[in-house]
Amino acid sequence: EADIYQTPRYLVIGTGKKITLECSQTMGHDKMYWYQQDPGMELHLIHYSYGVNSTEKGDLSSESTVSRIRTEHFPLTLESARPSHTSQYLCASREENNSPLHFGNGTRLTVT
Amino acid sequence: DQQVKQNSPSLSVQEGRISILNCDYTNSMFDYFLWYKKYPAEGPTFLISISSIKDKNEDGRFTVFLNKSAKHLSLHIVPSQPGDSAVYFCAARSGGSNYKLTFGKGTLLTVNP
Repeated sequence: EADIYQTPRYLVIGTGKKITLECSQTMGHDKMYWYQQDPGMELHLIHYSYGVNSTEKGDLSSESTVSRIRTEHFPLTLESARPSHTSQYLCASREENNSPLHFGNGTRLTVT
Repeated sequence: DQQVKQNSPSLSVQEGRISILNCDYTNSMFDYFLWYKKYPAEGPTFLISISSIKDKNEDGRFTVFLNKSAKHLSLHIVPSQPGDSAVYFCAARSGGSNYKLTFGKGTLLTVNP
């Protein structure tokens, strides 16, 4: 099973602050994903990467940005946090073909 | 427009009985379906999957059934255990080279001792 780590687990921050949510995986997976989920709602794909220097926007428009400089690391950045960014952010990775996504435990972000 | 629908927000069953979680989809291009389980404050965990070329896949207590003509799939858990209490998400993938999953809103399963 993939080991995928997200930090911080919980973050409460004021409006206008810049934040970076960390995601790392130790399995050497090329493919990594960021999902956003509000309580009682579906997971929405906001970013994905198929390898180093590859990043794409997902189906849900997001003001966040991502980078993929190393295979194991896929951080997500919000330049100026707003209350509308309050949500849970889930990072995932997978092996090739039909292998399922392996998720981290998520970061629950609250912007006040 | 929600392409994957889980119409039951919650389900409660007795320990030892069967739990049946349902999922409907609208996109006929979906070719691969997955079920994930999620405990509070944790990320989703993969449970079981099924390809559109099959109509049933079984793994221990968990069985997924796919009815392509009805665009419907279901997850059966037999026998249900209190540790199965969690939110269950149905997810679907479109065919092609892109692997992007579309998720339902989830069903909260509570298994009572």
